[in-house]
Amino acid sequence: DAGVIQSPRHEVTEMGQEVTLRCKPISGHNSLFWYRQTMMRGLELLIYFNNNVPIDDSGMPEDRFSAKMPNASFSTLKIQPSEPRDSAVYFCASSYEAGSSYNEQFFGPGTRLTVL
Amino acid sequence: AQTVTQSQPEMSVQEAETVTLSCTYDTSESDYYLFWYKQPPSRQMILVIRQEAYKQQNATENRFSVNFQKAAKSFSLKISDSQLGDAAMYFCAYDMRFGAGTRLTVKP
Repeated sequence: DAGVIQSPRHEVTEMGQEVTLRCKPISGHNSLFWYRQTMMRGLELLIYFNNNVPIDDSGMPEDRFSAKMPNASFSTLKIQPSEPRDSAVYFCASSYEAGSSYNEQFFGPGTRLTVL
Repeated sequence: AQTVTQSQPEMSVQEAETVTLSCTYDTSESDYYLFWYKQPPSRQMILVIRQEAYKQQNATENRFSVNFQKAAKSFSLKISDSQLGDAAMYFCAYDMRFGAGTRLTVKP
């Protein structure tokens, strides 16, 4: 099993540019999560998909952030336009959600985003 | 709102000794899971241990065990016989919410 795959691992961009982060969840998992990790705010849930449908996007900071999951094996997190305060490590995680229980989340290696 | 609180930003332990990391959470649910994750310098998040709330018995995984107090909404992690490789950030998690983390240092 390849685990959760994220790309790129590192991204450096300039303020105002569009950034797209990509995630491939573990095959068979039906829940996908995007998190942002910073020193100041810790690990924050941005958005959660279940069966490719966004369930909770209350953590998305503002309209500059958008996420999609066009199919069960792919998701993107887009920031447009990017700002220096978006600099963080972005994690994608997936899990198999059985009923109302929440199972272990499997995390990708993260994408370190630096916005200059 | 569901919250997870880790009140110890940093902890230190001598190699081979035991350390306990604290976590409290808030929920109105009766059946749920709680998790401890480890994040080493490589930043890869790794599950350490999981506790099912309806189970009375505390979960144990080798040197890692939990003290789960459901009524108090407390979920602490005990690491026995600490090893240098245990040095990492440790996160307590409930649902999709994570605590602020505890940075564990292991002294040789």
